[in-house]
Amino acid sequence: AQSVTQLDSQVPVFEEAPVELRCNYSSSVSVYLFWYVQYPNQGLQLLLKYLSGSTLVESINGFEAEFNKSQTSFHLRKPSVHISDTAEYFCAVSLNGQNFVFGPGTRLSVLP
Amino acid sequence: DGGITQSPKYLFRKEGQNVTLSCEQNLNHDAMYWYRQDPGQGLRLIYYSQIVNDFQKGDIAEGYSVSREKKESFPLTVTSAQKNPTAFYLCASRLLASDTQYFGPGTRLTVL
Repeated sequence: AQSVTQLDSQVPVFEEAPVELRCNYSSSVSVYLFWYVQYPNQGLQLLLKYLSGSTLVESINGFEAEFNKSQTSFHLRKPSVHISDTAEYFCAVSLNGQNFVFGPGTRLSVLP
Repeated sequence: DGGITQSPKYLFRKEGQNVTLSCEQNLNHDAMYWYRQDPGQGLRLIYYSQIVNDFQKGDIAEGYSVSREKKESFPLTVTSAQKNPTAFYLCASRLLASDTQYFGPGTRLTVL
């Protein structure tokens, strides 16, 4: 069975500062990895995903995540955050696109 | 305008009453999912369906029921047997050939 750990439940950071949201997973087989973002009272939106190939994946709004097989991690980073990045971020794993296992989420608060 | 719609956005129910949450998609997706979201616990899978007239229990199916009579629709009934139904409910869908789930905006259910 797969599991996902997000070590930080809340991350406050000042605007224009860098941020890293941590995600570690447990699986005995290869998995797909995802980051989703949720704005207040809304559904989840896909931010980026790793399926295979290059271990560094990027989103269109400046986020990136790096797959590290040896550390079973998929940390999300952004070099300079904006107020509009305030949201909850979920890491998820999936076996070949089948059912997903989500982490508990990290609430990112960007402060002015 | 393609997407996933959930209605209503907010729902109030008296204890002991059954209530049905609607989920409709016009993306021609094969699979549909229901998740429950509680603060600090991420998303937990209630039920999923990969084809019409077939569905499987997820991790927390007790006290819930679903039907899949049409490809576009996957309603969730929260029964009086669900002991703690107050939560945010999210519907998602996916093409079986794809690795990505797409989410609706959610329904917040409050039991009074």
